[in-house]
Amino acid sequence: QAVLTQPPSASATPGQRVTISCSGSSSNVGSNTVSWYQQVPGTAPKLLIYNDHQWPSGVPDRFSGSRSGTSASLAISGLQSDDEADYYCAAWDDSLNGYVFGTGTKVTVL
Amino acid sequence: VQVLESGGGLVQPGGSMRLSCAASGFIFSSSAMSWVRQAPGKGLEWVSTITGSGGNSYLADSVKGRFAISRDNSKDTLNLQMSSLRPEDTAVYYCAKALLQSRGYYSYMDVWGSGITVTVSS
Repeated sequence: QAVLTQPPSASATPGQRVTISCSGSSSNVGSNTVSWYQQVPGTAPKLLIYNDHQWPSGVPDRFSGSRSGTSASLAISGLQSDDEADYYCAAWDDSLNGYVFGTGTKVTVL
Repeated sequence: VQVLESGGGLVQPGGSMRLSCAASGFIFSSSAMSWVRQAPGKGLEWVSTITGSGGNSYLADSVKGRFAISRDNSKDTLNLQMSSLRPEDTAVYYCAKALLQSRGYYSYMDVWGSGITVTVSS
């Protein structure tokens, strides 16, 4: 029951930049900050970006986030092979009074 | 800083199961906590969040009336009581340390457990 819409896949060659979009509504992305999670298949998700654009300790600044209106985006620059993973956006939804995740985007390094 | 889930396994449809999450390395009573699940081959689905004091809790519509979240701050433990389980509840369940501030304006999950599998099947 994902409420936030992401492209199912994205790809690029090593060293290039890839951008993932996250489309929501006025009750979630339009009202509250967005976080991003990276999940390598078979492992637990990892917080990548919080409060739209802030990095937790240990996350390289190759990852950057932004939010405008009811959309948010995650950019990965200098793509590396270990960036291959699934990426999810998330935000609190005021109407649902709960947390909502995006549909997820699989990033492939060509 | 870590959280560790326990209590998963196989349960028949209509049955009940209790998941627990042991926290360490942070001030548990000051942190909101959440459960997130992931069905096989599917994306992440938020299940429930409880504030640090336990005074407020939130449940996804998909589990409302069947699941209950609770915490014991004296034992640094989070619980998820699941009843009337359905096959569609089959998933890996993750416990996560969360932040929920300013009525949801600031929210994220910064520490995740490795997950525990719940299988609902006859």
